[in-house]
Amino acid sequence: EPEVTQTPSHQVTQMGQEVILRCVPISNHLYFYWYRQILGQKVEFLVSFYNNEISEKSEIFDDQFSVERPDGSNFTLKIRSTKLEDSAMYFCASSSREGVQGRELFFGEGSRLTVL
Amino acid sequence: DAKTTQPNSMESNEEEPVHLPCNHSTISGTDYIHWYRQLPSQGPEYVIHGLTSNVNNRMASLAIAEDRKSSTLILHRATLRDAAVYYCIPHDSGNTPLVFGKGTRLSVIA
Repeated sequence: EPEVTQTPSHQVTQMGQEVILRCVPISNHLYFYWYRQILGQKVEFLVSFYNNEISEKSEIFDDQFSVERPDGSNFTLKIRSTKLEDSAMYFCASSSREGVQGRELFFGEGSRLTVL
Repeated sequence: DAKTTQPNSMESNEEEPVHLPCNHSTISGTDYIHWYRQLPSQGPEYVIHGLTSNVNNRMASLAIAEDRKSSTLILHRATLRDAAVYYCIPHDSGNTPLVFGKGTRLSVIA
């Protein structure tokens, strides 16, 4: 069964460092998402991406965040200067366009980011 | 987004049916009702979705009230692997993102 894969599974970084989280969505999918989940809290939407541009972003997704689809297969989330409060599990998701039936999102297993 | 109300937690015995309720009284006429679950230390996983009619798939059944203000996810025989947080999410068919609430934490007892 096709799946969304994420790397790294766990990254530890120092505050102020740049971090890139990588995702390989399912190959024929067109919509890509990043969500995050701080330990013990809700899954929060960060950003959605379609046709090589951001289609929607939340208040959390400020100037220190960016997304990119550099090579047609990978989908990356960059955090420019990490803060302690960026420590969370980051989930990538993808979906295909299935018309008015609603779309199923496929999530990866997540990348745990720990900022020290 | 329509507001949802789900019990914080529920408990079930293994191999018993489980009915997970969700109230979504402000749902719009075009919102689908999606259910996702999140197993421990994993990403959310799609379970089922529907609009008006009841739906069945290999994982679960979804019963939708006639007025669409509530729905119930039915696991026919709970297993230990079904222990997870279950999220009910009204969502339109457009490109707006899924918004997760707190969900219901289901514990399954052997």
